[in-house]
Amino acid sequence: AQKVTQAQTEISVVEKEDVTLDCVYETRDTTYYLFWYKQPPSGELVFLIRRNSFDEQNEISGRYSWNFQKSTSSFNFTITASQVVDSAVYFCALSGKNRDDKIIFGKGTRLHILP
Amino acid sequence: DAGITQSPRHKVTETGTPVTLRCHQTENHRYMYWYRQDPGHGLRLIHYSYGVKDTDKGEVSDGYSVSRSKTEDFLLTLESATSSQTSVYFCANSDPGQGNYEQYFGPGTRLTVT
Repeated sequence: AQKVTQAQTEISVVEKEDVTLDCVYETRDTTYYLFWYKQPPSGELVFLIRRNSFDEQNEISGRYSWNFQKSTSSFNFTITASQVVDSAVYFCALSGKNRDDKIIFGKGTRLHILP
Repeated sequence: DAGITQSPRHKVTETGTPVTLRCHQTENHRYMYWYRQDPGHGLRLIHYSYGVKDTDKGEVSDGYSVSRSKTEDFLLTLESATSSQTSVYFCANSDPGQGNYEQYFGPGTRLTVT
């Protein structure tokens, strides 16, 4: 069975600090996809990134970076120099390669950036 | 941006009344999904569609039905609304056949059943 665990329920940091959101997954598939989504206080769900299981290169997009490590089944998300606008709930998610495979979402991590 | 709209955005209804939520996409993405989001439960899949007139159940399908008569529209119906169906409902789409495994979400519909 597939599973996504976001052990950090809630995190608070002061603005400009770096923060890492942890995501650990379980799957028996050899090919799979990992995702991060952001849900700001306004409520919409925003897709941030998809990572394929066969590509372990880390990804950087501005202040956001993602560290994918198959050896530890982790796909962690780091925000550098956090800003108040980063305050949101962040969801990590996993799906298999088959078209009918569902996306399995973690419970989310609520991130508070304090001014 | 996958161009998904949902209507209505907010609705208050009484227990026992039927309710239909609409999801519309501007792409030709094959897959569409309905989720509900509740505190403590995260996102839970209600139903999904893998093509016109092709639908299947998710993990919390009891009390809900769906229809997809056109690629762009996916309707969610609560036949007889109950207070336990008070929630925020999200529609999403994806197109894994084209390599688009990620799902894009609509803005959500906040439904209150009194």
